[in-house]
Amino acid sequence: AQSVTQPDIHITVSEGASLELRCNYSYGATPYLFWYVQSPGQGLQLLLKYFSGDTLVQGIKGFEAEFKRSQSSFNLRKPSVHWSDAAEYFCAVCSGGYQKVTFGTGTKLQVIP
Amino acid sequence: DAGVIQSPRHEVTEMGQEVTLRCKPISGHNSLFWYRQTMMRGLELLIYFNNNVPIDDSGMPEDRFSAKMPNASFSTLKIQPSEPRDSAVYFCASSLAPGEAFFGQGTRLTVV
Repeated sequence: AQSVTQPDIHITVSEGASLELRCNYSYGATPYLFWYVQSPGQGLQLLLKYFSGDTLVQGIKGFEAEFKRSQSSFNLRKPSVHWSDAAEYFCAVCSGGYQKVTFGTGTKLQVIP
Repeated sequence: DAGVIQSPRHEVTEMGQEVTLRCKPISGHNSLFWYRQTMMRGLELLIYFNNNVPIDDSGMPEDRFSAKMPNASFSTLKIQPSEPRDSAVYFCASSLAPGEAFFGQGTRLTVV
């Protein structure tokens, strides 16, 4: 069965600092991996995705993520965080067959001035 | 496109009443998902449809929950009878490509 682990429940960073959110997955084959963001009172929005090929993928809002098969990880990064990035971030894995998506428990990001 | 449209945005009902949540997916999308989000359990997949056919309903908590998708542009999630523990935000999402789900703004359900 596919699963996703986000070890950090809550992270606080200063505005302008770099950010890395961790994600580990468990899946038998090559997974489809995603990062979503949820602002308060809103639904989730897709930030970026990895299907195959280049292991460093770029997304919206200046985010990127790197797929590392040897570590079963798909960490999200941003070089300089803005106050508007404060939100909850979800890593997700998809089986690809019937599009069943499994989400992690989320990491809540707080940005301080 | 207006995106995924859910109604109502907020619902307050008394325990034992029937609740129906509605969803209009993005036109052309062939998969539709119902999720429930709570502080305690996070984001749970309840059921998903592919081409209007229920594919996996293993996440539906119990027989009080049912979902239908009579056509490609409409789906409902019904809870009957409702209980206080059903209080949560319910999201509908649709997709065309694997994993690339577009979420509605959710229905916040409160059962008192």
